[in-house]
Amino acid sequence: AQTVTQSQPEMSVQEAETVTLSCTYDTSENNYYLFWYKQPPSRQMILVIRQEAYKQQNATENRFSVNFQKAAKSFSLKISDSQLGDTAMYFCTIQGGSEKLVFGKGTKLTVNP
Amino acid sequence: ETGVTQTPRHLVMGMTNKKSLKCEQHLGHNAMYWYKQSAKKPLELMFVYSLEERVENNSVPSRFSPECPNSSHLFLHLHTLQPEDSALYLCASSQDFSARRNNEQFFGPGTRLTVL
Repeated sequence: AQTVTQSQPEMSVQEAETVTLSCTYDTSENNYYLFWYKQPPSRQMILVIRQEAYKQQNATENRFSVNFQKAAKSFSLKISDSQLGDTAMYFCTIQGGSEKLVFGKGTKLTVNP
Repeated sequence: ETGVTQTPRHLVMGMTNKKSLKCEQHLGHNAMYWYKQSAKKPLELMFVYSLEERVENNSVPSRFSPECPNSSHLFLHLHTLQPEDSALYLCASSQDFSARRNNEQFFGPGTRLTVL
């Protein structure tokens, strides 16, 4: 079975600062995909960034980047130049083998003005 | 916003009621999902439909009954629910149901269900 652990239930950051959300996972699959999803308050969950396990290069999407450490099974999300609109629940997820997504419990991020 | 709509957005029902949740996707996707999101718990996958056939049923109680009449619509029929079933029910869709390619899931806004 695949598992995802997000050890930080809540975090806060000042606007324009950088914050890193942690995620570790466990899987017996060799080929899998990792995602970070964002769920703003009362709004729909959307994909932030994805990483394919066989790619060594860390994925980047504008202000969002990941630090993918395959051997350590770690997949952290870095948000640079934080904006008020980044306030949301962030979910780390893994997909592989059984095709379905397995979600972590989430990290509630608050960006303060 | 993302092409997946859910109705109603909020629902309050008694334990003896029968109600249905509706999901519609306008993205031309072949796979649709029902998730349950409870406070302080990970999202729980309930059902998966691929090309209108159920391919996943994660030991969900029979008081939840899914229906997928076509690839654009997904229903969740509810009857004799318990208070612990109160949660946010999310619908999602993806291009297909396959681990051979990363499948971004597009989520609806959810239905906030309260069972009295």
